[in-house]
Amino acid sequence: AQSVTQLDSQVPVFEEAPVELRCNYSSSVSVYLFWYVQYPNQGLQLLLKYLSGSTLVKGINGFEAEFNKSQTSFHLRKPSVHISDTAEYFCAVSENSGYSTLTFGKGTMLLVSP
Amino acid sequence: DSGVTQTPKHLITATGQRVTLRCSPRSGDLSVYWYQQSLDQGLQFLIHYYNGEERAKGNILERFSAQQFPDLHSELNLSSLELGDSALYFCASSLTTSGGVLEQFFGPGTRLTVL
Repeated sequence: AQSVTQLDSQVPVFEEAPVELRCNYSSSVSVYLFWYVQYPNQGLQLLLKYLSGSTLVKGINGFEAEFNKSQTSFHLRKPSVHISDTAEYFCAVSENSGYSTLTFGKGTMLLVSP
Repeated sequence: DSGVTQTPKHLITATGQRVTLRCSPRSGDLSVYWYQQSLDQGLQFLIHYYNGEERAKGNILERFSAQQFPDLHSELNLSSLELGDSALYFCASSLTTSGGVLEQFFGPGTRLTVL
């Protein structure tokens, strides 16, 4: 079975600074990887996904993530954050063979201050 | 707007009671997933239905049950409620059923408060 680790529960950052949110996964087979964002009092929205092909994936709102198979990581990055990026970010994994559900990490709260 | 709707938005009830949460998937999606989100447990997968059939169970208590109807909407029934059942309950839908999950679309959630 797969698992996801988000090492940072909170990441404080100043506006216009770069940010990286870390995600590591564990699986015995090939995987699909996802980043979701949850704004206060809202549901989860897909930011980006890796299914196959290029390991650098670009998503909405200027976010991107890089799949690193050797390090089993899928870190999320943004070169310059805005106050409106303040939200909780969830990394998720699904195995791409047989039946699989989405397994989520515990989430990382990104706190952007002026 | 993901296209997934959930009702009610908020629900306040007492311990020992039973409630029903409702979810309508995106048009064309056959799969419905239920999740529970709480501060201590994070986002936990509860159950998955595909075209009316149960496909997988996660960390779902025996006091909880779900079903998916012919029109593809789904209901999550929570009974003998305890204080610890207070949480956000999300429904998600997708096109796929096997071979991995390509993408799930989440509803806005139902916030359940058990007093």
